Amino acid sequence: AQSVTQLGSHVSVSEGALVLLRCNYSSSVPPYLFWYVQYPNQGLQLLLKYTSAATLVKGINGFEAEFKKSETSFHLTKPSAHMSDAAEYFCAVRGSGAGSYQLTFGKGTKLSVIP
Amino acid sequence: KAGVTQTPRYLIKTRGQQVTLSCSPISGHRSVSWYQQTPGQGLQFLFEYFSETQRNKGNFPGRFSGRQFSNSRSEMNVSTLELGDSALYLCASSYMTSGRASEQFFGPGTRLTVL
Repeated sequence: AQSVTQLGSHVSVSEGALVLLRCNYSSSVPPYLFWYVQYPNQGLQLLLKYTSAATLVKGINGFEAEFKKSETSFHLTKPSAHMSDAAEYFCAVRGSGAGSYQLTFGKGTKLSVIP
Repeated sequence: KAGVTQTPRYLIKTRGQQVTLSCSPISGHRSVSWYQQTPGQGLQFLFEYFSETQRNKGNFPGRFSGRQFSNSRSEMNVSTLELGDSALYLCASSYMTSGRASEQFFGPGTRLTVL
């Protein structure tokens, strides 16, 4: 069984400040991990993914995440927040084995950026 | 390449009715998954289809069903609608490589309101 916990349902940062969104996962098999972003009235857009290659993963829009097996974490960061980053962010886990294609999502973190 | 398309984008139904939602995956993608998104439960997996076969099903009642056609397009059906079925229904497609699925690409969703 897999699960994802996102700490903080709401996070506010000032424009230009560091963005840190936390994600911890639980998986009985080596996981694939994903971060998605959702803007109002839209679907989910993939920001980045971890598939057991490099532990530091770079994504779109300046975001990156580091896979830490010892901490079972996959936190999302961005050095400098922009107003356009205001959205809801979802961490998701999927088993790496064949046949394990469904995604298990965290509850999401809504990011507000203060000008 | 066109993205995942979902029709209709918005639907209003009354309790007891049934509804059919449609999803066209990205060209070449043969796996289609469906998710329900609500404020209370977040994103929950409904089912996944590959080559017209349901491979995986989430924990939803039998009122929720789906199918996939030979062109990979998918439909999901909800019968005897309940107020709690009001949600954003998201479809996602992925391609297969070496027997394993790529990341999932999401459509914009269908917003279902049950009155």
